[in-house]
Amino acid sequence: AQTVTQSQPEMSVQEAETVTLSCTYDTSENNYYLFWYKQPPSRQMILVIRQEAYKQQNATENRFSVNFQKAAKSFSLKISDSQLGDTAMYFCAFTSSGDKLTFGTGTRLAVRP
Amino acid sequence: ETGVTQTPRHLVMGMTNKKSLKCEQHLGHNAMYWYKQSAKKPLELMFVYSLEERVENNSVPSRFSPECPNSSHLFLHLHTLQPEDSALYLCASSQEPDRPNSPLHFGNGTRLTVT
Repeated sequence: AQTVTQSQPEMSVQEAETVTLSCTYDTSENNYYLFWYKQPPSRQMILVIRQEAYKQQNATENRFSVNFQKAAKSFSLKISDSQLGDTAMYFCAFTSSGDKLTFGTGTRLAVRP
Repeated sequence: ETGVTQTPRHLVMGMTNKKSLKCEQHLGHNAMYWYKQSAKKPLELMFVYSLEERVENNSVPSRFSPECPNSSHLFLHLHTLQPEDSALYLCASSQEPDRPNSPLHFGNGTRLTVT
């Protein structure tokens, strides 16, 4: 069974600075997909970024980027130039073909003004 | 984004009540999902519907009964719940359920409290 581990229950960052959220996963699959979802106080989960395991290049979406280390089974999220609106729960998720999406327990990020 | 709408936003019910959660998606997606979100636990997938047919039921107790009358609407009927069923219930949809790169679009959830 796939597992996703987020070892940081809570993180805090000063506005305009950079923060990295950690995620590791365990799988025997070779091809799979990884996601970061954001859940702000409005409670709606929003896709932030996704990575396909067969792509070596790290995914980037504006201020959000990932550091995908396939051998280490690590998929961290870097948020640059943090903004107050980035305050939210962040969930790492994994799926492989034909399998359900597996989520981590989340990291609560607070951006300080 | 208002693509997936859930009602009610909050629900308080006694253990003997019967209530229903409603979800509606306006994205033209073919798959819909119910998730349970409890504090400090990963999201738990409860049910998956693809083209109105249930394709997954993750050993959910029978006091939770889903219904998918068409590809745009999904219900979760609740009866004789337990206090441990208190949680945030999230509905989601996706273009295709069996394509792993098809991202989920979530609603705002229903915060359920069972007293």
